[in-house]
Amino acid sequence: DAKTTQPPSMDCAEGRAANLPCNHSTISGNEYVYWYRQIHSQGPQYIIHGLKNNETNEMASLIITEDRKSSTLILPHATLRDTAVYYCIVRSSGTYKYIFGTGTRLKVLA
Amino acid sequence: DVKVTQSSRYLVKRTGEKVFLECVQDMDHENMFWYRQDPGLGLRLIYFSYDVKMKEKGDIPEGYSVSREKKERFSLILESASTNQTSMYLCASSLYITGTNNEQFFGPGTRLTVL
Repeated sequence: DAKTTQPPSMDCAEGRAANLPCNHSTISGNEYVYWYRQIHSQGPQYIIHGLKNNETNEMASLIITEDRKSSTLILPHATLRDTAVYYCIVRSSGTYKYIFGTGTRLKVLA
Repeated sequence: DVKVTQSSRYLVKRTGEKVFLECVQDMDHENMFWYRQDPGLGLRLIYFSYDVKMKEKGDIPEGYSVSREKKERFSLILESASTNQTSMYLCASSLYITGTNNEQFFGPGTRLTVL
């Protein structure tokens, strides 16, 4: 599975959009981009995933660049409860394995 | 919504004790997983099960065993707990194991301390 690179930490003001970047320049054609988050002392929570088209659900939007070498997770109106570590994972559709890196620690400020 | 529950949030055991960690999911998922999470090491897969009574070793199965007698329940067993098994243990389930919609849903975790 391709390696991902994320900034170690970010701050965002409450009510503003949080844009979390992820670099996955070695992604291959059958690999999906998944996003999870982990709130302190809880299990990871699935957010969204995509292959090449942009995706949106009730939690977030995922924007994948045309060359698929990077993506951005967007939380449109961040709240204090969105403070968490966000993991970007690249995963082949043929495997069950997740490789969680160190993620981005997002702090939403009041 | 998928609900994955784990029997304990916090557990303290002594070296040499046999430890049972229980996980239950309510979405009729075929696949269940046990991970441990340690600072700087990320999540590491211990075992997974793709059907009742079926199991596969993950990346770090040594010192652990598992049991899946019912579809909804997956147990992790530490036969003789050791201090290096102090960790956060996470259970997950998924409907599919591969393919495009194989996201895993995690339980809240059990923080195990072995003294």
